[in-house]
Amino acid sequence: ETGVTQTPRHLVMGMTNKKSLKCEQHLGHNAMYWYKQSAKKPLELMFVYNFKEQTENNSVPSRFSPECPNSSHLFLHLHTLQPEDSALYLCASSQDGVQRGAPWDEQFFGPGTRLTVL
Amino acid sequence: AQSVTQLGSHVSVSEGALVLLRCNYSSSVPPYLFWYVQYPNQGLQLLLKYTSAATLVKGINGFEAEFKKSETSFHLTKPSAHMSDAAEYFCAVSQNTGNQFYFGTGTSLTVIP
Repeated sequence: ETGVTQTPRHLVMGMTNKKSLKCEQHLGHNAMYWYKQSAKKPLELMFVYNFKEQTENNSVPSRFSPECPNSSHLFLHLHTLQPEDSALYLCASSQDGVQRGAPWDEQFFGPGTRLTVL
Repeated sequence: AQSVTQLGSHVSVSEGALVLLRCNYSSSVPPYLFWYVQYPNQGLQLLLKYTSAATLVKGINGFEAEFKKSETSFHLTKPSAHMSDAAEYFCAVSQNTGNQFYFGTGTSLTVIP
């Protein structure tokens, strides 16, 4: 495997289910990100992990719970989701992570998980 | 505050014609600027980026963009469109407050045979 991989690619779940999205980066990067992509809206940054430490949580509802056990793996645990949570969830990674006072540089994206909440 | 505006959510060009996708940004300090492309059922792929070096940036697949500070623009161009260029294109900005990327809402490019 190369680059950033995400599994599953498609997920359909009911509002009472619990599921997890997985992301793995094979690039040796130090930072990983979760984004939500909804139709007609800009990409929404959800979470940032820098050297396995969570550094950003953009007011994401608690029904989304991230986990970063090491710098190569990132999970998004889902429970009691709402239909409006249906979207494409993208994982990304970057080389240097988030350094205070420096602009963010290039991020590498996975193919995404298409989530449908019934 | 930062923001990115992509004029035109849908752009159609004929095969072989010039591609011009517009991006304007607002930033109080010199930004980094990026163009990403997203093909159906795929993630975002970097086309090119501006990080305060040369103002004319060349990227992959024959695309280029010019940073114009006076116009706060970073428009994406390609001299001759190919069918394979049909995709969604996103402009993004970051700056040295280190907050995050700000993405535009995207422009869907259709190439007409």
